[in-house]
Amino acid sequence: AQRVTQPEKLLSVFKGAPVELKCNYSYSGSPELFWYVQYSRQRLQLLLRHISRESIKGFTADLNKGETSFHLKKPFAQEEDSAMYYCALRRTSGSRLTFGEGTQLTVNP
Amino acid sequence: EAGVVQSPRYKIIEKKQPVAFWCNPISGHNTLYWYLQNLGQGPELLIRYENEEAVDDSQLPKDRFSAERLKGVDSTLKIQPAELGDSAVYLCASSLRGAADTGELFFGEGSRLTVL
Repeated sequence: AQRVTQPEKLLSVFKGAPVELKCNYSYSGSPELFWYVQYSRQRLQLLLRHISRESIKGFTADLNKGETSFHLKKPFAQEEDSAMYYCALRRTSGSRLTFGEGTQLTVNP
Repeated sequence: EAGVVQSPRYKIIEKKQPVAFWCNPISGHNTLYWYLQNLGQGPELLIRYENEEAVDDSQLPKDRFSAERLKGVDSTLKIQPAELGDSAVYLCASSLRGAADTGELFFGEGSRLTVL
């Protein structure tokens, strides 16, 4: 069975500090990993996917198959990054998307 | 474009009463999802449709929950009878499939259910 673990429910940093949101997964194959974000009073939306290897809003995430991790990083956090972040996994294209429990990031001024 | 539309946004009912949620996906999206989100937790899949066919409903509590997607567009999720533990946010999402499937789900604003 596929499982996504986000060990931190809450994470608080100061503006300009680096931030890393941890995500670990359990799946024996080669999954697709995603980060979704929900800003206050907005819908849940895709932030980035590992396949694209892109940087969105300064965030990057690298899939580490050896450590089965997909941590989300940003070198300099901004106040507008405050949101709920969910890591998600699916086995293959067209299969179900499984979410972690989420990490609430607060960036303090 | 309005995106995925859900109604009602909020619903308060007494236990043992029925409740229904409606979802209109983004035009052209073949795949539709219903997720349950309890407070402080991530979304959990209840059911996934490809057009009008339910292709993944293994986590839908079929004794009280039912869903349909007639004509492969709008969908309705029903709970009958509702229990206290059903209080949660019910999220609908839609996505493309096949070659256009990027794994991106487009979510609605959710329907928040409170069972008293």
